[in-house]
Amino acid sequence: QVQLQESGPGLVKPSQTLSLSCTVSGGAVSSGNYYWNWIRQPAGKGLEWIGHIFSSGETNYSPSLKSRVTISLDTSKNQFSLKVRSVTAADTAVYYCARNVRNGYFDPWGQGTLVTVSS
Amino acid sequence: DIVMTQSPDSLAVSLGERATINCKSSHSILYSSNNMNYLAWYQQKPGQPPKLLIYWASTRESGVPDRFSGSGSGTDFTLTISSLQAEDVAVYFCQQFYDTPYSFGQGTKLEIK
Repeated sequence: QVQLQESGPGLVKPSQTLSLSCTVSGGAVSSGNYYWNWIRQPAGKGLEWIGHIFSSGETNYSPSLKSRVTISLDTSKNQFSLKVRSVTAADTAVYYCARNVRNGYFDPWGQGTLVTVSS
Repeated sequence: DIVMTQSPDSLAVSLGERATINCKSSHSILYSSNNMNYLAWYQQKPGQPPKLLIYWASTRESGVPDRFSGSGSGTDFTLTISSLQAEDVAVYFCQQFYDTPYSFGQGTKLEIK
């Protein structure tokens, strides 16, 4: 059974780079027809898809964040990572990682990690 | 981009009664080649990640109680809880996986009346 777990700093200063990792257990990020996604949720609000990376390394980002986001794979650690550059308070959210197949629903999800952007 | 709109934003239903949540997409999410609707429903309780309930608009995920059902096609979809239980209090989201950027409805908060 595949499980995902997010990790990273809970506090980031404005204008800096938010960096998170998602560790995958029970399956390899480099194999299969799976996409590895990042999704975020500001407190009390809805869910926003940030982007994903395929096992081959191909990426796809939401147009609203594309200029500031990079998602990458680290097969040696069986992880994938998210970087969001030039953050503002609007980037404060719980960040989730999740798996899907191409044009598929998200399952499973990580537990989520809260990132606050504040000086 | 496909915009997903849920109604109502919040809903209060008595225990044992039916709860109905609607979801409308700005573009048809029915893929003609396989006649499948690319829509999922999730349940989210406080402090937890979303939990997959239903996919392909009407297929219940393994382990999900059969009081949960999904229906609809094209642009209009419904999640129905046939007999509300206390543990069903949560926020419910619909999501289209027809095309990127994947998108979610704004959520419907379900409470006990």
